[in-house]
Amino acid sequence: EVQLVESGGGLVQPGRSLRVSCTGSGFILGDYAMGWVRQAKGKGLEWVGFIRHKGYGGTAEYAAAVKDRFTISRDDSKSIVYLQMNSLKIEDTAEYYCSRWGSTSFEAWGQGTQVTVSS
Amino acid sequence: QSVLTQPPSVSGSPGQSVTISCTGTDVGRYNRVSWYQQPPGTAPKLIIFEVSNRPSGVPDRFSGSKSGNTASLTISGLQSEDEADYYCGSYTTDTRFFGGGTKLTVL
Repeated sequence: EVQLVESGGGLVQPGRSLRVSCTGSGFILGDYAMGWVRQAKGKGLEWVGFIRHKGYGGTAEYAAAVKDRFTISRDDSKSIVYLQMNSLKIEDTAEYYCSRWGSTSFEAWGQGTQVTVSS
Repeated sequence: QSVLTQPPSVSGSPGQSVTISCTGTDVGRYNRVSWYQQPPGTAPKLIIFEVSNRPSGVPDRFSGSKSGNTASLTISGLQSEDEADYYCGSYTTDTRFFGGGTKLTVL
């Protein structure tokens, strides 16, 4: 069974950093592009970014709202994808979901981890 | 910036059919639209990919189609457990994006 488990969320002050992780099981994480999607309370889904698998260079793309502040990386040997969030803003407060990209859609999702940016 | 437009809400009674639309300028050009179901308090779940394909385990009450620049999700034989938010999604080489979401209320 494919499983994605996010961890590392929490309360952080504006301007600080936080790293959340996504651990995959039940599949070979290294064979897939992986993405992050966030959802503020009561709002819709917002794409954050994704990282290609190594066969496609392992490069990452980001939404304009987080570009130059967020970085996605992967450790395929540990089946983990990371989202490093720097210079956090109050508007980054959201549930952050990890998802497996199946070439045309987000085909598997984690349960999410809450990130709250507040002073 | 690609945009997908959905109605904020739709409703239907048990046993009826409802259709949720998703309109975007590139929808008609490619078969890239997917649909996600998100019941209250849960993570999203893929229910349709490439306009009209269902992943394994998704009931055939859920179907997708496309006409011109509008994709549609139809749920037939509406059940109470179908009450959820529904999102369409699409992608380009470098981006992924979602519609604003539609809240389905089962009356």
